[in-house]
Amino acid sequence: EVRVEQPGAEVKKPGESLKISCKSSGSRFSDEWIAWVRQMPGKGLEWMGSIYPRNSDTKYNPTFRGQVTVSADKSVTTAYLQWTSLKASDTAMYYCATPRSGTSAAWDNWGPGTLVSVSS
Amino acid sequence: DIQMTQSPSSLSASVGDRVTMTCQASQDVRRFLNWYHQKPGKSPKLLIYSAAKLETGGPSRFSGSGSGTDFTLTIDNVQPEDSGTYYCHQYDEVPYTFGLGTNLEI
Repeated sequence: EVRVEQPGAEVKKPGESLKISCKSSGSRFSDEWIAWVRQMPGKGLEWMGSIYPRNSDTKYNPTFRGQVTVSADKSVTTAYLQWTSLKASDTAMYYCATPRSGTSAAWDNWGPGTLVSVSS
Repeated sequence: DIQMTQSPSSLSASVGDRVTMTCQASQDVRRFLNWYHQKPGKSPKLLIYSAAKLETGGPSRFSGSGSGTDFTLTIDNVQPEDSGTYYCHQYDEVPYTFGLGTNLEI
């Protein structure tokens, strides 16, 4: 069974930078699209973007393009989501997820999520 | 972007009931449609993928149907642990999009 690990929480001030991680135990890490999904407090799920670690190809939701950067280091089977200047509106739970074998985005393994709180 | 419309937004059921919820896409997504279940404070869990395929280990009381723009999730003999929010999700076209969810109360 694939395990996906994420840090539990980050507390930041507006304007600060942040890079959160997503470590997968899966053997297919390099050859699958790793996704990031946002869930704002009391709201639904939003796909932010995905990365293919083998060649670092990325896909972004236009809503998030330019606001965040998705990256990966296949040597440590870890994906990252990064902000250069956080806003209060970035306060949310951020999940990473890996897809079911044979699909590009049927996410069957989810991390526990990282709760990002941005407040002055 | 493809808009995913779920209905109803909430419903209440009793143990043993049959529950049906729907998801409509604003354009054809073929069968690239998943259903997830999320309980409060937990990560979403994949239930149905490719419109009608039951995820490994998923209870057989869950079934999905549909293609194109209209999809249905059915729960036969609903159980207390089925409470929570159900989301449909299309992955035919980027940006991938979710419905707003159906909240099921048992």
